[in-house]
Amino acid sequence: ETGVTQSPTHLIKTRGQQVTLRCSSQSGHNTVSWYQQALGQGPQFIFQYYREEENGRGNFPPRFSGLQFPNYSSELNVNALELDDSALYLCASSPTGGVAKNIQYFGAGTRLSVL
Amino acid sequence: AQSVSQHNHHVILSEAASLELGCNYSYGGTVNLFWYVQYPGQHLQLLLKYFSGDPLVKGIKGFEAEFIKSKFSFNLRKPSVQWSDTAEYFCAVTASGGSYIPTFGRGTSLIVHP
Repeated sequence: ETGVTQSPTHLIKTRGQQVTLRCSSQSGHNTVSWYQQALGQGPQFIFQYYREEENGRGNFPPRFSGLQFPNYSSELNVNALELDDSALYLCASSPTGGVAKNIQYFGAGTRLSVL
Repeated sequence: AQSVSQHNHHVILSEAASLELGCNYSYGGTVNLFWYVQYPGQHLQLLLKYFSGDPLVKGIKGFEAEFIKSKFSFNLRKPSVQWSDTAEYFCAVTASGGSYIPTFGRGTSLIVHP
């Protein structure tokens, strides 16, 4: 088990609402990434934060936004929820140095259902 | 941008059978390659990785993978599977010297019957 924790574990929202998902990184990791995993698919990269700055973004609209805090915890915010946003949202942190930065340490995820 | 293809979406085996899961990537430069595994009810976790050197890499639980650069492949193998290997397996790639952001394949669901 990794040291990455996510909350909540499950969430049900209705279309048009806003949601905030939270993640606590593994100790010593200053990079956090968020992924969306639809049923039967691999994780799709949403964005990455390094030292509180967005460090890369996947093909997701601006209504997906994030924050990273000085303690390296992180939030994913999704506005104007759509039915297709229903998925497992994964947070992953990675170490600071060398090639180890390529390794992702995942949390258990938040299962979001949009009705 | 890189992409990853996993050709087998569902694999069903009996215990002691041999396993090979295919993974091909598309990228013109130097890559780092990974297999991640998600056991039922558990986190996605690293199974093995290739950064450089010996193209045959060994991971946990008897798994190994071979990087064949000419074929853009990184297939996962295990000589004899166990019921406890039942899981989802994901191949991933990052560009060396790039952003460290992995691209994942869609995964292979492996079911091992006792």
